[in-house]
Amino acid sequence: DSGVTQTPKHLITATGQRVTLRCSPRSGDLSVYWYQQSLDQGLQFLIQYYNGEERAKGNILERFSAQQFPDLHSELNLSSLELGDSALYFCASSVETFPSSLYGYTFGSGTRLTVV
Amino acid sequence: DAKTTQPPSMDCAEGRAANLPCNHSTISGNEYVYWYRQIHSQGPQYIIHGLKNNETNEMASLIITEDRKSSTLIRPHATLRDTAVYYCIVEGGGGNKLTFGTGTQLKVEL
Repeated sequence: DSGVTQTPKHLITATGQRVTLRCSPRSGDLSVYWYQQSLDQGLQFLIQYYNGEERAKGNILERFSAQQFPDLHSELNLSSLELGDSALYFCASSVETFPSSLYGYTFGSGTRLTVV
Repeated sequence: DAKTTQPPSMDCAEGRAANLPCNHSTISGNEYVYWYRQIHSQGPQYIIHGLKNNETNEMASLIITEDRKSSTLIRPHATLRDTAVYYCIVEGGGGNKLTFGTGTQLKVEL
């Protein structure tokens, strides 16, 4: 157990639907990162939050959004889902915001999203 | 442009050292070299990182050349459970996240 908790582990939904993925960071970590991993794209950085504020944005689609709550857990919202959104979604946390976080990221076990 | 170049795959016999190379010829002075691994569909796992000096921890050793243009991750006494994709990442100096490339698929065999 890495200390980063992601729920649900598996999610199957239909095209056009909306889902929410949840991440609880490791105790004491203020920074949360979201990554998407599909078969043909590898690990793609989506977005980062630090202590409730958005700090960095990557290749995140406009249909996707995220937030970090006062208790530091984060949610990734995916809407108008398409078949191509099927992927593993990982959350990672770190003590500080990169590049000050020299202790590495701790990743959760991911949420496998299947859009049918 | 990719910051790192890694061989797509490598094999290693169980019990032997796995030496994973990484080229990062455009690395700048304030960028670190990070290594992560991902065991089949699990979340990536941090292994080690370094700036200039060689580093060692309970998981591996990181050897960085003097000109910092390349590095080698050494996993001594590899086991079957070390079969994974190993990612070499160069980041820092104003960057704000880790960018994963395609990595090296290490297969440890009997």
